[in-house]
Amino acid sequence: AQKITQTQPGMFVQEKEAVTLDCTYDTSDQSYGLFWYKQPSSGEMIFLIYQGSYDEQNATEGRYSLNFQKARKSANLVISASQLGDSAMYFCAMREGLNTGGFKTIFGAGTRLFVKA
Amino acid sequence: KAGVTQTPRYLIKTRGQQVTLSCSPISGHRSVSWYQQTPGQGLQFLFEYFSETQRNKGNFPGRFSGRQFSNSRSEMNVSTLELGDSALYLCASNLGLAGGEQYFGPGTRLTVT
Repeated sequence: AQKITQTQPGMFVQEKEAVTLDCTYDTSDQSYGLFWYKQPSSGEMIFLIYQGSYDEQNATEGRYSLNFQKARKSANLVISASQLGDSAMYFCAMREGLNTGGFKTIFGAGTRLFVKA
Repeated sequence: KAGVTQTPRYLIKTRGQQVTLSCSPISGHRSVSWYQQTPGQGLQFLFEYFSETQRNKGNFPGRFSGRQFSNSRSEMNVSTLELGDSALYLCASNLGLAGGEQYFGPGTRLTVT
C-alpha cells in the first residue's frame, strides 16, 4: 500500500533561516509524482513544488526546493530564508497510478511550521 | 486565468439528508479530483474524473458519488449524511497528464448536525 510519512508534527524556525521539512514515501510504482502543498489557516491548499520520479534534477521554485533521494524514498522540502508568512501547515503528497492513467494522490499527515520573528 | 472554484463554500445539513457539491476546474484542465479533509483522518482521496469518466476511487462508502460533465465541471454527492461526513471537501484540477501540478479550490465546509 502507498504511504506518505511526515514525522515532524510541528516545527519552529527563526525568520530568515532555512528549514527542512521531512517526507518519506512508500510505493511499488516506478512512475509517480511527489508534491508539497502549503495550507494556511484560511484553509486553501497552495501548490508549492512538484518532482517526478524520473526527474534527475531536484525541483526548485523560488525559495522552495525539493531534496529528492529516490533510493531512500525521501522528498524533503527545503524553505530558504523563512518569512513570517510561511507559518502554515505543509503537506507532502504522492500521486500514483501514472502508468495506468488513474491518478490517486495520497497525503501525509502534515507538518505545522511556525516562523518566529 | 481563473482558479478552481467550488460552490457552495459553506453548507449545513441534517443527518439523513443528501448534498451536492460543485467544482469548476481551471480552464483547459480535464482532470478533477475530490478530497475529504478532517482533523482526525487528514486529507483523503475520494475519486478522480477525467473526460467524464471516473478513473480512480478511494476507500469511501457508496454514499459518496460523483460525476463530471463535458465542460469538465464536476459534482460530488453524498447521500444519507452522517455526522462523520462533516469535513472540508476539496477539489483539485490538473491537465490530466501523468505529471504536473494539481491546483486546489478553496473547499466546501460541510457541517452535518
